[in-house]
Amino acid sequence: DIQMTQSPSTLSASVGDRVTITCRASQGIRTWLAWYQQKPGNAPKLLIYSASSLESGVPSRFSGSGSGTEFTLTITSLQPDDFATYYCQQYSSPLRTFGQGTKVEIK
Amino acid sequence: EVQLVESGGGLVQPGGSLRLSCAASGFTFSSYAMSWVRQAPGKGLEWVSGISGSSDITFAADSVKGRFTISRDNSRNTLHLQMDRLRAEDTAVYYCAKDQLVEPYYYFDLWGQGTLVTVAS
Repeated sequence: DIQMTQSPSTLSASVGDRVTITCRASQGIRTWLAWYQQKPGNAPKLLIYSASSLESGVPSRFSGSGSGTEFTLTITSLQPDDFATYYCQQYSSPLRTFGQGTKVEIK
Repeated sequence: EVQLVESGGGLVQPGGSLRLSCAASGFTFSSYAMSWVRQAPGKGLEWVSGISGSSDITFAADSVKGRFTISRDNSRNTLHLQMDRLRAEDTAVYYCAKDQLVEPYYYFDLWGQGTLVTVAS
């Protein structure tokens, strides 16, 4: 299976900060990567697919980049609604796998 | 309204069985692959199993292979997960999720609210 590793596991930030989360794949996955946001008690929500394509309705302060084995999710100006846990997911293999998650906390 | 609604969760003893269902509405169910994704309490997301729109392709994670069976009824717009020989480590919220295309090879653009499965004696 393809292993996905996110860093950091927890991130403390303030409203207005620029935030970057990294996701690394154990083998090359081209741009077959998605990012999700999950708030406590809720289902995950798709943010980014194909590594850098923004899902309809998602604010433009979210962006994704990368290819191969290293990817990033960036939030350019953190808003109160953005405090949540973020997951990357590879779909290069039909045995889809997620990163362990990055929790974005209020500093 | 486009939505997925899971049901069938509950408390079951180790070694027991449970069948989860997911009712889909608001989209052409047979045109999309579907998956089950679970989340143990306080833990991250784990993809469990996926099925193509026509049921001809299925995949399962190694952790559930041989114990869980995914199926779908396109006439009733319903996805199922038959879970047998349940273990304590199967305790989780189980989400059904809609794949982006008809084959089970992509990301998930619609999720249900989840149903909790607890395996304990």
